[in-house]
Parts: sequence; structure tokens; C-alpha cells
Amino acid sequence: DTEVTQTPKHLVMGMTNKKSLKCEQHMGHRAMYWYKQKAKKPPELMFVYSYEKLSINESVPSRFSPECPNSSLLNLHLHALQPEDSALYLCASSLLPPPFSYNEQFFGPGTRLTVL
Amino acid sequence: SQQGEEDPQALSIQEGENATMNCSYKTSINNLQWYRQNSGRGLVHLILIRSNEREKHSGRLRVTLDTSKKSSSLLITASRAADTASYFCATDIIQGAQKLVFGQGTRLTINP
Repeated sequence: DTEVTQTPKHLVMGMTNKKSLKCEQHMGHRAMYWYKQKAKKPPELMFVYSYEKLSINESVPSRFSPECPNSSLLNLHLHALQPEDSALYLCASSLLPPPFSYNEQFFGPGTRLTVL
Repeated sequence: SQQGEEDPQALSIQEGENATMNCSYKTSINNLQWYRQNSGRGLVHLILIRSNEREKHSGRLRVTLDTSKKSSSLLITASRAADTASYFCATDIIQGAQKLVFGQGTRLTINP
């Protein structure tokens, strides 16, 4: 299994809703990432988990709450989002985490989030 | 600010032609990677070149790295319609948190 899966593919939510994005990989990778990507822009790093511990938080607002229940699973809990949070949310994994020299990251297909 | 800047922002060529995209970066790096993204989907890793390498090939892809100029290029030879996508360079910054930072990307369109 050499893929990263993400669910759901699409999500529409109101500003008062609570929802979660899910990401899964079974490649034995020890680092997992959340990125946010706006249209026609590059992905922007949000969080990095290394060996199931949060190692990097790129000053993301607290309405985004990551969770890594085990080495294969990564969640992103969403609460009280704003319309400007609408974007493609990408999950990725890599064999080794920082501070080791980066190897390739494997990306999931993303969750297209729309906040109304 | 973004570590990587890509040039051109958009490129449209005929099928069978070669496509060249350039990436410039600002700080010292361990390696540079290129990724492809089809419209609205996840990124796919294409190739990684280390800072002590100058050129690397993978199928129809050729990547060069010039650390003295802090620049890299991606050449796709004999382009196909399926190569239509956005291409991003990504660098890891030696100092700091050592995260991967993506360039702005080049949107490549291959016309049949």
C-alpha cells in the first residue's frame, strides 16, 4: 500500500459546525503533515507530526486542531471556521521526519473544504 | 516570504515540444524537489536532487541544480497532453525548523 487516503473528498460546513478531516497511510511513515492550499497558490504547511507527536505548528489558529491517534492516522478537527478557511486541505507523509534531510512526501488527494 | 520563486508562472506548448521551468530560492538547502499537481488534486513527487548533485534524470525529466546561483530547472522532453498540470519546486531550509517550502508553481498546458 503506497498511498495516502483522505476523507471526505468534499466538505461543506457552516461557521458554527464542528467537523473532522481524516488522513491515513500504511507505509510505515513516521512523519505526517497537514497543508492548506488556496486556489492557484502553493501548499502552505500547517502542522507536522513526528513519531506521533506534534513537532511543528505554523502559528495556525486554534479553530484548527490536529490529532494523531496512531502512526497511521492523522485527523484535523475543525470548529468555528471562517469563510476564508475555504481551501484544499492536503495530508502528506514521509518516511522520516525533520530534522533529518527531507525525503519525498506522499500526498493524499485532499479534502475540498467550503465554509459558508 | 516564499523560499522558491518559479518562472514562468504559466507555460503553454504544443504536444511533443520540450517544457522548461525554473525555480530560484533564497537560502542554503539540503535538497530540492519537484512535484506535479493535476487540477485540484494531491501532489505527486517527481524527483529529488541533493545539494551536492548538479543534474539528475528520471524518464523524460531532467533536473539541474546550481547552488551558486540558487536555482534549479525542470525539463520535460517530448511533452504529452497528460503532462498538463502545475509544477512546484520545494526546498528544505537548512536553518530553522527544516520544513519543506514550495515555490509559487508553474502552470503547464500541453496543447494537442
